[in-house]
Amino acid sequence: DAKTTQPTSMDCAEGRAANLPCNHSTISGNEYVYWYRQIHSQGPQYIIHGLKNNETNEMASLIITEDRKSSTLILPHATLRDTAVYYCIVRVVGTSGSRLTFGEGTQLTVNP
Amino acid sequence: GAGVSQSPSNKVTEKGKDVELRCDPISGHTALYWYRQRLGQGLEFLIYFQGNSAPDKSGLPSDRFSAERTGESVSTLTIQRTQQEDSAVYLCASSSTGTGVNYGYTFGSGTRLTVV
Repeated sequence: DAKTTQPTSMDCAEGRAANLPCNHSTISGNEYVYWYRQIHSQGPQYIIHGLKNNETNEMASLIITEDRKSSTLILPHATLRDTAVYYCIVRVVGTSGSRLTFGEGTQLTVNP
Repeated sequence: GAGVSQSPSNKVTEKGKDVELRCDPISGHTALYWYRQRLGQGLEFLIYFQGNSAPDKSGLPSDRFSAERTGESVSTLTIQRTQQEDSAVYLCASSSTGTGVNYGYTFGSGTRLTVV
């Protein structure tokens, strides 16, 4: 699986949009971009994934650049409960499934 | 059940004892994964089960660690002769897989193992 690069930490004001970047310059054509987050003392939580089109769900939006070498996770109105470590992962998915390899992630702190 | 269930939620054991951790995946999920997370560190892959295929054991740190899964149901992770460095949160996740299909993992809340 391709390696990803994320900033170690970010801060965001409550109510503002949080934009978390991720670089995955070696991504292959059949690799998806996944985002997970881990709130302190809990298991990681799936947020969103995409291949090349932008995606939106009730939690977040995912913007993938046209060359697919980077992406941005957007939390449109961050709350204090969004404080967590956010992981960007690229992964090939096929009939046999595959494991997720977690990097260091970005520690997002939402401030009141 | 509605989510991935792990038991016990907390386990304190004496060095040298064996422990068994249990994971109940979401019904119908064919894939099951075990990860370990030491305090303040990232997730470390341990083992992966996919249906009736041979498991991917490449992440198991030593032969003291083993895991079993019967069909597409419960999995147990066993650590023999526990050491203090085994202290960590052990996380289980399950997912669906299939041709052209693409699902995220659902994680359990983990078992916090403390070896004293």
